[in-house]
Amino acid sequence: DSGVTQTPKHLITATGQRVTLRCSPRSGDLSVYWYQQSLDQGLQFLIQYYNGEERAKGNILERFSAQQFPDLHSELNLSSLELGDSALYFCASSAQLAGGRETQYFGPGTRLLVL
Amino acid sequence: EDQVTQSPEALRLQEGESSSLNCSYTVSGLRGLFWYRQDPGKGPEFLFTLYSAGEEKEKERLKATLTKKESFLHITAPKPEDSATYLCAVQKSSGDKLTFGTGTRLAVRP
Repeated sequence: DSGVTQTPKHLITATGQRVTLRCSPRSGDLSVYWYQQSLDQGLQFLIQYYNGEERAKGNILERFSAQQFPDLHSELNLSSLELGDSALYFCASSAQLAGGRETQYFGPGTRLLVL
Repeated sequence: EDQVTQSPEALRLQEGESSSLNCSYTVSGLRGLFWYRQDPGKGPEFLFTLYSAGEEKEKERLKATLTKKESFLHITAPKPEDSATYLCAVQKSSGDKLTFGTGTRLAVRP
């Protein structure tokens, strides 16, 4: 158990709909990352938040947005869903160590199926 | 553009048959190289981080090494429970995100 929790575990929805994925980082971790894993693309970085502020953006679609709340949990919002959005969505959290070192710990993921 | 290439894509071993997985990378300003294990439908499980050429880390039957261009994950006398996909990722000095390779699917037969 990495200490990172994600809900829900599974989500089935229809095209055009909107869903929210939730992540709680490990206790004390300030950074939250969202990654998407699909069969043809592998694990792809979407977005990073640090202590409530957006820090870095990857290949995140405009239909997707995220935020990190004062209690450090994060939500990833996916709207106008398309079939191609079906994937595993992972959240990771990390703590900065001395010398800029860190380790990212991943949650169990949310499997999204868009029909 | 940063690139992480893992080989082989798939590897089948007999129990006890040692082997190595390769991760070659092209990245400017490497901060760290990460190895993860991923079981089907589960989240990646952290194994190692390597920060400088020549560094080695071990955990049970696994040993990771790093050079300036690639990393190896050596598996000694594997067991069926070592069957999983092994992912390599790099982190640049300029940011925190991880760039992943596509993984090596390892199957260990009893």
